[in-house]
Amino acid sequence: ETGVTQTPRHLVMGMTNKKSLKCEQHLGHNAMYWYKQSAKKPLELMFVYSLEERVENNSVPSRFSPECPNSSHLFLHLHTLQPEDSALYLCASSQDLSNYGYTFGSGTRLTVV
Amino acid sequence: SQQGEEDPQALSIQEGENATMNCSYKTSINNLQWYRQNSGRGLVHLILIRSNEREKHSGRLRVTLDTSKKSSSLLITASRAADTASYFCATDLRGSQGNLIFGKGTKLSVKP
Repeated sequence: ETGVTQTPRHLVMGMTNKKSLKCEQHLGHNAMYWYKQSAKKPLELMFVYSLEERVENNSVPSRFSPECPNSSHLFLHLHTLQPEDSALYLCASSQDLSNYGYTFGSGTRLTVV
Repeated sequence: SQQGEEDPQALSIQEGENATMNCSYKTSINNLQWYRQNSGRGLVHLILIRSNEREKHSGRLRVTLDTSKKSSSLLITASRAADTASYFCATDLRGSQGNLIFGKGTKLSVKP
């Protein structure tokens, strides 16, 4: 285990469903990230949190809604998704925003039907 | 166009051979990192090289950085079947924070 835990590992949801992805880190890190990984595309940075404050929102559609209640937990709330949102969603953490080495979770494989 | 691009997209070698992957980027960086991803899993940080360093070693890994050519290479010596994975370079843009940009990766297959 890396110290960053993501649940669930797999998720299948309909386009009208509401679901949430959870990420938890036990590393004492202050920054957390959501990335989207689609086939044959580079990882896309979605959201960045530092000390529970959102510092980056890379033009992500509003059907994705992040939440960071404390520095150890990060959520991604999903609603009315599209099939093209199917991807591997990766959570990562780092000591701070200085970009020195991220620790990733194993990801949630999301399929939207 | 993206900041970091790996080359080749796919590489297949025999166990015991060396594997070399390249990464090119476009703008000035603070550091460049290499990550490995086993199929369907998260990325694992391998090595970081700062912009003022030219070469770095970690076990069977050797990373070089040429800032004049805006390129880096990752060499895995004496490869093993367990090295089969995708390898990504990630660049940290100078002046940015919390913004590590990844390439599409090189898919390495090591045949026993």
